[in-house]
Amino acid sequence: SAVISQKPSRDICQRGTSLTIQCQVDSQVTMMFWYRQQPGQSLTLIATANQGSEATYESGFVIDKFPISRPNLTFSTLTVSNMSPEDSSIYLCSVREDGSSYNEQFFGPGTRLTVL
Amino acid sequence: DQQVKQNSPSLSVQEGRISILNCDYTNSMFDYFLWYKKYPAEGPTFLISISSIKDKNEDGRFTVFLNKSAKHLSLHIVPSQPGDSAVYFCAASGAGTYKYIFGTGTRLKVLA
Repeated sequence: SAVISQKPSRDICQRGTSLTIQCQVDSQVTMMFWYRQQPGQSLTLIATANQGSEATYESGFVIDKFPISRPNLTFSTLTVSNMSPEDSSIYLCSVREDGSSYNEQFFGPGTRLTVL
Repeated sequence: DQQVKQNSPSLSVQEGRISILNCDYTNSMFDYFLWYKKYPAEGPTFLISISSIKDKNEDGRFTVFLNKSAKHLSLHIVPSQPGDSAVYFCAASGAGTYKYIFGTGTRLKVLA
């Protein structure tokens, strides 16, 4: 399975600032996703990161708040903009391997964000 | 509205016994179901999946059962081992989509 790394692994940020999270995959993948897990909650899909075009956002998530870049097939970034304490979550990227006949996604280790 | 529910937030089982984790869903359009295991400070790890055309899938100590009429699936781990202690998430996706809907997770503790 694909090996996924994320940077930073954790951060503590001040209200009103922005943080960019990086996701690196060791192989080329077409489908890459960003999730959020708020404390005590399930994982929620934020958006699908599309290479060479704008990300596709889920209901409740907007590009101004969570801009996403996908410059190539192995890398993506998620920015959490103008942060508030409600943005304190674990942010995870995941990929679906190209050519897989199954629907499994593989997840990175996550970025734990605390907003003060 | 939570489309995928795991009603037991935690479960404790003795080592060597069977662990049964349950998951219910409301959307009849879901046709693919997965279980993930998550250790602290790590991302979820894929465990086992099942398509709606089956009612059982087995992989070593892990078996997933699907009851479509009841919209219910369960994960059986036998025998349970201390290393199985983790949070288990079920997830569902619909035909033609790669979007997952996750449950809230069940924390399993296997006691030595």
